[in-house]
Amino acid sequence: GNSVTQMEGPVTLSEEAFLTINCTYTATGYPSLFWYVQYPGEGLQLLLKATKADDKGSNKGFEATYRKETTSFHLEKGSVQVSDSAVYFCALKETSGSRLTFGEGTQLTVNP
Amino acid sequence: EAGVAQSPRYKIIEKRQSVAFWCNPISGHATLYWYQQILGQGPKLLIQFQNNGVVDDSQLPKDRFSAERLKGVDSTLKIQPAKLEDSAVYLCASSLGDSLANVLTFGAGSRLTVL
Repeated sequence: GNSVTQMEGPVTLSEEAFLTINCTYTATGYPSLFWYVQYPGEGLQLLLKATKADDKGSNKGFEATYRKETTSFHLEKGSVQVSDSAVYFCALKETSGSRLTFGEGTQLTVNP
Repeated sequence: EAGVAQSPRYKIIEKRQSVAFWCNPISGHATLYWYQQILGQGPKLLIQFQNNGVVDDSQLPKDRFSAERLKGVDSTLKIQPAKLEDSAVYLCASSLGDSLANVLTFGAGSRLTVL
């Protein structure tokens, strides 16, 4: 079946540091890939997405590129802020149906 | 637009008791989802509705969990009887449809603690 694996967390960075959160997936066919973010006390919010190989999703300074050859969708940001502190979830959606399969999440803490 | 509303936000019960969670999706959203998020894990889909019909309930523990969306708008998720391992956040989400182009909007969740 489909699965998503995220780097083991949590991740603690200083403000303005470079961020990478690794995500790899296993799926049949050509899934769409997503990053969701969950701020404390809030629901999950879509951060960015990519629907086909080599697509780059970007939003709020975050980027992720759909790499079919390595089955990866790593999240990056060049300079994190304290306000980026949250839990980040990588997810995939199969080409048929609309079920989202999530990774286990990565807690990011950014210190001033 | 108003977001996805869920209630209650928090619930504490003892094992073998029952509990119900309510979700009101964004107006006009035909597709509604219930996810279970156990602490330290990613959300897992329990059930998906398209209007008032069930599209996917393959991961719903049907011996104790039930869900309905009778009028194709709001939905209720029930657990009876609850077990300790049901302690989790129950997330409701909605979307216009179930195509790849439709983005899911999540509610803030209902946190259940089973003692």
